[in-house]
Amino acid sequence: EPEVTQTPSHQVTQMGQEVILRCVPISNHLYFYWYRQILGQKVEFLVSFYNNEISEKSEIFDDQFSVERPDGSNFTLKIRSTKLEDSAMYFCASSVEIDRGRTDTQYFGPGTRLTVL
Amino acid sequence: SQQGEEDPQALSIQEGENATMNCSYKTSINNLQWYRQNSGRGLVHLILIRSNEREKHSGRLRVTLDTSKKSSSLLITASRAADTASYFCATDDGYKLSFGAGTTVTVRA
Repeated sequence: EPEVTQTPSHQVTQMGQEVILRCVPISNHLYFYWYRQILGQKVEFLVSFYNNEISEKSEIFDDQFSVERPDGSNFTLKIRSTKLEDSAMYFCASSVEIDRGRTDTQYFGPGTRLTVL
Repeated sequence: SQQGEEDPQALSIQEGENATMNCSYKTSINNLQWYRQNSGRGLVHLILIRSNEREKHSGRLRVTLDTSKKSSSLLITASRAADTASYFCATDDGYKLSFGAGTTVTVRA
């Protein structure tokens, strides 16, 4: 069964460093998402991406964050200058479009645990 | 906020018993999705129910949706130790999922 994959599974970085988290969505999916979950807290939406553009972003997704689909398979989240509070599990998800503007199930990857020291 | 909120926060049951958890939300939705998360792991999709559906089944899972009350319930029948996990409802507004805080279910052998 197709699945969303994410690399690395765990990333440790120093405060102020840039990190890139990578995701390979399911191949026929057109909508891509990033979410994060700080330890012990709710899963929070960061950004959605469709047709090479950001569809929607949350207040969390400030100028330090960016997303890119550099090729036909990868979807990346970049944090330019990491802060201690960026430590969290970051999940990538993807979904198909069932008709105009309506998406279906979002399938999540296993997550990347980011630890900022 | 459109976030789903689950109730109860925690549930402990004996193997073989049924587990029921509820979700309430505030605004209109396209669909509502239920996910399971084992400790520190990824989110596993369980079931999606659309706004024009009232009930859906998948194996031992039964989900209901009442859009007039803005609430949903997830029933797990004949629970097993492997069902021990956190369960989240997530409302889909067409752009993003908004998650609740989850219900932690412990199934005792």
